Amino acid sequence: DIQMTQSPSSVSASVGDTVSITCRASQGIDSWLGWYQQKPGKAPQLLIYAASLLQTGVPSRFRGSGFGTDFTLTISDLQPEDFATYYCQQGKNSPTFGHGTKVEVK
Amino acid sequence: EVQLVESGGGLVKPGGSLRLSCELSGFSFNDFSLNWVRQAPGKGLEWVSSSGRVAGYFYYADSVKGRFTLSRDTASDSLFLQMNDLRVDDSALYFCARGHRYYDNYFDYWGRGTLVTVSS
Repeated sequence: DIQMTQSPSSVSASVGDTVSITCRASQGIDSWLGWYQQKPGKAPQLLIYAASLLQTGVPSRFRGSGFGTDFTLTISDLQPEDFATYYCQQGKNSPTFGHGTKVEVK
Repeated sequence: EVQLVESGGGLVKPGGSLRLSCELSGFSFNDFSLNWVRQAPGKGLEWVSSSGRVAGYFYYADSVKGRFTLSRDTASDSLFLQMNDLRVDDSALYFCARGHRYYDNYFDYWGRGTLVTVSS
């Protein structure tokens, strides 16, 4: 299985900040990378697919980048509704997720 | 409106069985992959099983292979996960999720989940 390593495990930020979360794959996955947001008690929501494509309805302050083994999710101008846990997921073969990054209020 | 509604969770003893159901609406069964993803309490996400767009193609995580069986019924627009020989570490919230329109291995719509607890 392809292992996905996210960092940091948590980050404290304020409204208006820019936050970056990184995800590293244990082997090359080209652009087969997705990002999800999950709020407590809710199902995950797809934000980004194919490393950089914005899912319909997702605000443009979310941006994905990367290729191969190293990927980044950047959230610009952080909004109150963005405080949540974020997961990366590889889609090259049997899907596997990172362990999550919690974006908390500073 | 796309909807996925899971049911069938509950409390079961180790070694027991459960059958989860996912009822679909708002889209055609044959146009998308369908998946189960689970989340143990306070933990991350784990993909469990997928039904490909083409009927008869099913895929399983190694952790459940040989114990879980996926099936689908187009007449009732439902996906089923038969779980046998359940273990304590199978305890989780089980989500049904639809594959993306263009990429099967990304999940664009999710249900609310059904809780499975395996405990003696």
